[in-house]
Amino acid sequence: DAMVIQNPRYQVTQFGKPVTLSCSQTLNHNVMYWYQQKSSQAPKLLFHYYDKDFNNEADTPDNFQSRRPNTSFCFLDIRSPGLGDAAMYLCATSMERGLYEQYFGPGTRLTVT
Amino acid sequence: TQLLEQSPQFLSIQEGENLTVYCNSSSVFSSLQWYRQEPGEGPVLLVTVVTGGEVKKLKRLTFQFGDARKDSSLHITAAQPGDTGLYLCAGESGRGGGADGLTFGKGTHLIIQP
Repeated sequence: DAMVIQNPRYQVTQFGKPVTLSCSQTLNHNVMYWYQQKSSQAPKLLFHYYDKDFNNEADTPDNFQSRRPNTSFCFLDIRSPGLGDAAMYLCATSMERGLYEQYFGPGTRLTVT
Repeated sequence: TQLLEQSPQFLSIQEGENLTVYCNSSSVFSSLQWYRQEPGEGPVLLVTVVTGGEVKKLKRLTFQFGDARKDSSLHITAAQPGDTGLYLCAGESGRGGGADGLTFGKGTHLIIQP
């Protein structure tokens, strides 16, 4: 049974056109993360929510925003996608911060035309 | 900034051979995790090592955490085509206030040819 679900799996958007990626979890975990993974590169943490507390990484561009309306759902909003934002976006959850396993979703492959 | 260097970046070997991949850093990590990622999918956790010098085995996979908790290795015995994938190591720094996500290495692309 899927535990971390990401929709859509593939998303195509136009340069400058806002796009929202979705993540949901059935694990009731406190922490939800968003990572960006470009081709042949390591996943890079963008931000995370610990419950309702939002934690932004220092080098995450302002173009990237996130919302967590409830425990189960978390959204990644890209306000004005550029060609350089084309990547795989991975959502992950963990029960708590610290030495806890992170469970990853299958990712959303974003293409910017 | 904590960096994890993985080597080799690419490895292609024949089925049945043994291999070792490495994950190195100049920083100390409170734990290291190894993930395997298949194309178009998210990473799947294989193991977490916490104690310096720790060795964990998962069937044909042996994971070791360095004594100083700065490096780790993954050894695969008698590799099989199903082992093909991207192997990522990730460190948790344990910064004050709780860990805020993982630092990933770039990964080792492993291909096992039948």
